[in-house]
Amino acid sequence: GENVEQHPSTLSVQEGDSAVIKCTYSDSASNYFPWYKQELGKGPQLIIDIRSNVGEKKDQRIAVTLNKTAKHFSLHITETQPEDSAVYFCAPLEGYALNFGKGTSLLVTP
Amino acid sequence: NAGVTQTPKFRVLKTGQSMTLLCAQDMNHEYMYWYRQDPGMGLRLIHYSVGEGTTAKGEVPDGYNVSRLKKQNFLLGLESAAPSQTSVYFCASRQDRGFGEQYFGPGTRLTVT
Repeated sequence: GENVEQHPSTLSVQEGDSAVIKCTYSDSASNYFPWYKQELGKGPQLIIDIRSNVGEKKDQRIAVTLNKTAKHFSLHITETQPEDSAVYFCAPLEGYALNFGKGTSLLVTP
Repeated sequence: NAGVTQTPKFRVLKTGQSMTLLCAQDMNHEYMYWYRQDPGMGLRLIHYSVGEGTTAKGEVPDGYNVSRLKKQNFLLGLESAAPSQTSVYFCASRQDRGFGEQYFGPGTRLTVT
């Protein structure tokens, strides 16, 4: 949506490498920052989220970091696997709705 | 527990025809949303509802209407379809305004010729 920028738009990594996707938002009132994964032909699914009072959160190979002062948060995937290939969306909460970025297409090659 | 379901899965319309997309959720969620997804554009919010009987406009509401007569259902209507409305439509629901997962349906692929 408007005022949410996601970079890069495409990312290709080799299996085992790390991947980082960055999201910049403009609404200073946002206090909830999720990341969604969308596989081909399916609806997006939540993979990790973070609240504004926390700087970092990890869940196995996935982590999210938040810099509220600079208004950006990032998704980190370590030890990437081919099944991580998908489109990833950041979606900061703005008012009553999540505001989705345009997405990052991640390709993990064996 | 079916989660969020959408009907139909695919539809082809001619310009000027009308149709209604149905979304149903069985999680007793308060909030429901309709998004459209176009290549390179991410998901854009069309309309949303914060409870039975309420609706509000999102980022791209023109050409669409919605209704939430029952808590579990959220209907999206196209009164006079246009080729620009060719898209994949996703319905979603979440418990309330707080933190927590938003659940998506499988999508409806609509083509307007």
